[in-house]
Amino acid sequence: DTAVSQTPKYLVTQMGNDKSIKCEQNLGHDTMYWYKQDSKKFLKIMFSYNNKELIINETVPNRFSPKSPDKAHLNLHINSLELGDSAVYFCASSTRFGYTFGSGTRLTVV
Amino acid sequence: GIQVEQSPPDLILQEGANSTLRCNFSDSVNNLQWFHQNPWGQLINLFYIPSGTKQNGRLSATTVATERYSLLYISSSQTTDSGVYFCAVDQAAGNKLTFGGGTRVLVKP
Repeated sequence: DTAVSQTPKYLVTQMGNDKSIKCEQNLGHDTMYWYKQDSKKFLKIMFSYNNKELIINETVPNRFSPKSPDKAHLNLHINSLELGDSAVYFCASSTRFGYTFGSGTRLTVV
Repeated sequence: GIQVEQSPPDLILQEGANSTLRCNFSDSVNNLQWFHQNPWGQLINLFYIPSGTKQNGRLSATTVATERYSLLYISSSQTTDSGVYFCAVDQAAGNKLTFGGGTRVLVKP
């Protein structure tokens, strides 16, 4: 029933590891996003995809690579994790009537 | 890019009090949404309100697009209203949401 679902909810990993976060939406939206929320709660766009095509890439390090196998899924793969990557990552989808967010993935790099 | 500023940054309320949160934006917008981030971190959509006034229970919102601001009203606040309230705008459908810095609300019993 969840409109935008992300897995996992929590991720604790060591520096240098590679990890993925998955996102799926069942709303039939064409556009999906990844946002990052830092420790001060500031939310910033990372990527957006429209119908599997990359539309926005906001000066995110190359270690972050989004992949959209179909318009209902947008995954985020992160290589060589660094301490500064610790944050909450939100997936979202949208129509012209607004945006719906997933419940977030709290990533902690130790 | 567009700037979004929210005020006040922090708000402490006694249960039952009313309050107004403000969102100013620096350019014309296509969409404006208010979100509540609860203490568990979930971002809950409150209003999609690019213009006009909407009400949902104890919450209401007004956007005056020509003057580039929006207001969120919380009436008869409850402890469950605690959390961070975000205003976010986009300038074209399916573009990207730009968020304000949020207003952190604490409602005390």
